[in-house]
Amino acid sequence: GESVGLHLPTLSVQEGDNSIINCAYSNSASDYFIWYKQESGKGPQFIIDIRSNMDKRQGQRVTVLLNKTVKHLSLQIAATQPGDSAVYFCAEEARGGADGLTFGKGTHLIIQP
Amino acid sequence: SQTIHQWPATLVQPVGSPLSLECTVEGTSNPNLYWYRQAAGRGLQLLFYSVGIGQISSEVPQNLSASRPQDRQFILSSKKLLLSDSGFYLCAWSVGGPSNQPQHFGDGTRLSIL
Repeated sequence: GESVGLHLPTLSVQEGDNSIINCAYSNSASDYFIWYKQESGKGPQFIIDIRSNMDKRQGQRVTVLLNKTVKHLSLQIAATQPGDSAVYFCAEEARGGADGLTFGKGTHLIIQP
Repeated sequence: SQTIHQWPATLVQPVGSPLSLECTVEGTSNPNLYWYRQAAGRGLQLLFYSVGIGQISSEVPQNLSASRPQDRQFILSSKKLLLSDSGFYLCAWSVGGPSNQPQHFGDGTRLSIL
């Protein structure tokens, strides 16, 4: 996963537009990927996951895309709403791992009215 | 349904004092349990994980320790807190076993060391 940095990247989108949040990972052994949403003062909330045998998975208003060739993961949020404002983290885990996730540095999604 | 509880929500402690943070999970058996720390503006750092009672694995050398006295109870402790122990501490659980499963987080404890 990405190394933890001091500053969170910020993505600002207009309400109603689609949001795309990107994440790069470096561990070729990573087999399982998760996107989390974290609101201020709360714990991360599971959004959607994907395993390495897939390249796309859809949920309610969200889609995760996985490109193993370039080790890239993205989260697409359709018709962004004010309640989507939060910090979004990608996380990865090696095959069969029960030893915890490696988190990316996070992206702060800001919704403009 | 499964739930995870952490307490306290906030804690202010002097340097050198002991620490005990508790996490309990309900609605599941033999979960994998995790402690993470999150510094301001950063991602989450794994501190400890446990796949069963009395089984603790540490990810980073530090001033903290963890224990799992019961199947669904995970405790984070310190004998003497340091200023650098300040942060947001998160407990998480996942379905037990080696297969990849999502981790589900509690709402954390905000720890401030004075």
